[in-house]
Amino acid sequence: DGGITQSPKYLFRKEGQNVTLSCEQNLNHDAMYWYRQDPGQGLRLIYYSQIVNDFQKGDIAEGYSVSREKKESFPLTVTSAQKNPTAFYLCASRDPSHTEAFFGQGTRLTVV
Amino acid sequence: QKEVEQNSGPLSVPEGAIASLNCTYSDRGSQSFFWYRQYSGKSPELIMFIYSNGDKEDGRFTAQLNKASQYVSLLIRDSQPSDSATYLCAVSPQGSSNTGKLIFGQGTTLQVKP
Repeated sequence: DGGITQSPKYLFRKEGQNVTLSCEQNLNHDAMYWYRQDPGQGLRLIYYSQIVNDFQKGDIAEGYSVSREKKESFPLTVTSAQKNPTAFYLCASRDPSHTEAFFGQGTRLTVV
Repeated sequence: QKEVEQNSGPLSVPEGAIASLNCTYSDRGSQSFFWYRQYSGKSPELIMFIYSNGDKEDGRFTAQLNKASQYVSLLIRDSQPSDSATYLCAVSPQGSSNTGKLIFGQGTTLQVKP
């Protein structure tokens, strides 16, 4: 079945540690996105990529980094510079007609 | 002013009633509009999208768009307890046709009581 897979589902990070969230899709979509969701809030865009080897900052990119070496993969690294990383992270992709955005199941990151 | 605004609720309706969810947006050039449903702890799933002024119906759901007033709404007829979730309004802002970027509201929590 086609879809987006995020891993892990739960992730715990120690202070000062970098962690990487995985996002893989087999929908053959060019565009991929990372969103952050805090309790009671909507989704805020962290980074997005429209094509392999290219990506752009979203509204809240500070403290995060991404790469897009393959069409299928768009990993997100939460660096130690992100002072409040505890949140629900969602990866999405969209088809070329930009109708529906397909979401992964999310990764819940907690700082311990 | 937030770019996409929704009343966070909760909106409580009895089973079988019509639930009306509203969303306003600030970018007059916004092009397309989406309603997503998100169950607690899960990822959003698309319910409907609408591009043109007027109504669009899909089963128990009707999306309404009024670009002049810059609002979009979602009506849920014959509400069921399984409709209890957070409903996110999302907007494609002007100039986003190439990027596919979406701006989300904070969501409205709907509670349907049996």
